[in-house]
Amino acid sequence: EAQVTQNPRYLITVTGKKLTVTCSQNMNHEYMSWYRQDPGLGLRQIYYSMNVEVTDKGDVPEGYKVSRKEKRNFPLILESPSPNQTSLYFCASSLGYPSGANVLTFGAGSRLTVL
Amino acid sequence: SQKIEQNSEALNIQEGKTATLTCNYTNYSPAYLQWYRQDPGRGPVFLLLIRENEKEKRKERLKVTFDTTLKQSLFHITASQPADSATYLCALPLWSGNTPLVFGKGTRLSVIA
Repeated sequence: EAQVTQNPRYLITVTGKKLTVTCSQNMNHEYMSWYRQDPGLGLRQIYYSMNVEVTDKGDVPEGYKVSRKEKRNFPLILESPSPNQTSLYFCASSLGYPSGANVLTFGAGSRLTVL
Repeated sequence: SQKIEQNSEALNIQEGKTATLTCNYTNYSPAYLQWYRQDPGRGPVFLLLIRENEKEKRKERLKVTFDTTLKQSLFHITASQPADSATYLCALPLWSGNTPLVFGKGTRLSVIA
């Protein structure tokens, strides 16, 4: 089944403890992206990647890192999480840049709580 | 850059009626616009895409229109059912060319039986 898989789905952690949220897609998609979703603020893009070793900042990149060493994986790294990073995170992918031909496939989401 | 307004945070509608959701954008006219459905705690799911040269697109009970003069897209669900209850998001390119999508905050639709 074509899908985007995120792990963990739920995580409670403490301030400053480094964590990684993994994202993997099995559709051979070039484009991958991370979003966070907060009440009243909607979906905001954190980082995106058009290809292996190519990443770009989105709207809210502060406090996050990403890497794209393989086409299928796009992990989100929080080096020193803070409570304001408590959020629902989504990974998404598409064949190419979103366009009139390419649409996003989203993962199921990762709910992160930072105490 | 692009700004999007989905003018209703929440919309309640009776089963069987047509739901109409609005998406307005403020800056340049995009080459396309996408609509997604999101259920609580789950990832958005793509529904429909409409290009700038298309006035209307249909898929089963769903219809999307795109008016570049008004800078607006309307999303209609005809013969609405309780199962249509969800949040609906519109998404546009941030700027012209190869560009990420920017999403509206969504409209939460509740279809009451």
